[in-house]
Amino acid sequence: QQPVQSPQAVILREGEDAVINCSSSKALYSVHWYRQKHGEAPVFLMILLKGGEQKGHDKISASFNEKKQQSSLYLTASQLSYSGTYFCGTEAPGSARQLTFGSGTQLTVLP
Amino acid sequence: GAGVSQTPSNKVTEKGKYVELRCDPISGHTALYWYRQSLGQGPEFLIYFQGTGAADDSGLPNDRFFAVRPEGSVSTLKIQRTERGDSAVYLCASSLGGLAHEQFFGPGTRLTVL
Repeated sequence: QQPVQSPQAVILREGEDAVINCSSSKALYSVHWYRQKHGEAPVFLMILLKGGEQKGHDKISASFNEKKQQSSLYLTASQLSYSGTYFCGTEAPGSARQLTFGSGTQLTVLP
Repeated sequence: GAGVSQTPSNKVTEKGKYVELRCDPISGHTALYWYRQSLGQGPEFLIYFQGTGAADDSGLPNDRFFAVRPEGSVSTLKIQRTERGDSAVYLCASSLGGLAHEQFFGPGTRLTVL
């Protein structure tokens, strides 16, 4: 079953913060976050494993609440280059490594 | 190093024709995945190879779709008797295999069935 992402779209000014949520109805082993720009391949951002860990990369960080089967992606002081569609991909135990992706959150950063 | 490559980048075909889409994974990556992405949607899993064998083909929509990876490297996705509903971007990804390894995506093949 496909994870649910919210919001579907968000528009920011450069320097503002944003949070993107990903929620699953199934138990998860890991959550993967990708960013995709129009006409390009999805680009890997980070993986979070069960255990409630948090990770960060530059001004983008994420958390994973295993009990709630939810992950959130935090974009701090957004830059124009952050614009794109963000997808979470979930990996369930016994899923043979396939990712089930949400329908995406379209992020637009304006100058 | 070279990333995942896919050919052709665009393929236009007529309904009922046969098409082959090729994927060259990152060297040394034992796991290879095919996904399909429709406009405004996330990638949808089709099939996963570990080495030469298809470890999971549960995402293939029907028996018109078939994929091979005979030498554990390059993979070909084959679609018989194409239908207009097959139009989408077909993405290939590779990884080191195992759980929780990042998947590197190729640029995709945009398939249009007229």
